[in-house]
Amino acid sequence: DAKTTQPNSMESNEEEPVHLPCNHSTISGTDYIHWYRQLPSQGPEYVIHGLTSNVNNRMASLAIAEDRKSSTLILHRATLRDAAVYYCILRGPNTGNQFYFGTGTSLTVIP
Amino acid sequence: GAVVSQHPSRVICKSGTSVKIECRSLDFQATTMFWYRQFPKQSLMLMATSNEGSKATYEQGVEKDKFLINHASLTLSTLTVTSAHPEDSSFYICSARVGLLNTEAFFGQGTRLTVV
Repeated sequence: DAKTTQPNSMESNEEEPVHLPCNHSTISGTDYIHWYRQLPSQGPEYVIHGLTSNVNNRMASLAIAEDRKSSTLILHRATLRDAAVYYCILRGPNTGNQFYFGTGTSLTVIP
Repeated sequence: GAVVSQHPSRVICKSGTSVKIECRSLDFQATTMFWYRQFPKQSLMLMATSNEGSKATYEQGVEKDKFLINHASLTLSTLTVTSAHPEDSSFYICSARVGLLNTEAFFGQGTRLTVV
C-alpha cells in the first residue's frame, strides 16, 4: 500500500487557520492525493484531492510540495464543526486504485 | 456530490445469526463499490471490492465465506455477515466511486453492528 504519515492529533483555535500535514515520500507519479474527514459515528466525507498543482474548493485548500512527497490540507477558518479525523490517502495504480486509510489526524477545535 | 445510502444504520443481532447490510448509490450508477470495517478508535480497513455482475475481490485475511458480498445491480451492493459472533461487532461502511483515478469516492453513513 502507498503509505502516508500524519500526526496523530492536532489542536486549533476556532476561527484560526489550520494546516494539516501529510508525508508521502513513496508516492508515484500517477498517485492522486486525496483528503477525507470523518466525524464520530459517520462515514468519511470527501474534502479535496489533487495531483500536482495546488487545489482550492469551498471546504479547504490543498498545497502539494513540488516533489510531491508531502502535502498540506489548509482549513482557512476552523469551526467547531471541523473537529474530525482527517485522512490523507494516495490513490493510483500502486494502490490498485483503492482507498487505503492510514491512522489520520484527529483535529480538536478549541472554542 | 453523489449520495451513498446504507441500511440499516444500526443493527443488533444474536450470535450465530446472519445480518445483511445494504449499500445504495442514490443518484449515480456505481460499477464498483467498496466495503470497510472500522473498530473503535481505529482507522477504516478495506474488506473487499464489489464489482457489479461479478465476484467480489477480498483483501488478504478477510473470509469470503463469512462476509458475503453481492452486487447485483449498478445501484445496490449488499454485505451479509454470516454466523455472526461478538468479535464481528464493528462499524461497517460502504463506498462507491463514479469514475477512475481522478474522482473522489462517496461513502455511506455506516452501519453499527452489535452481536450479542
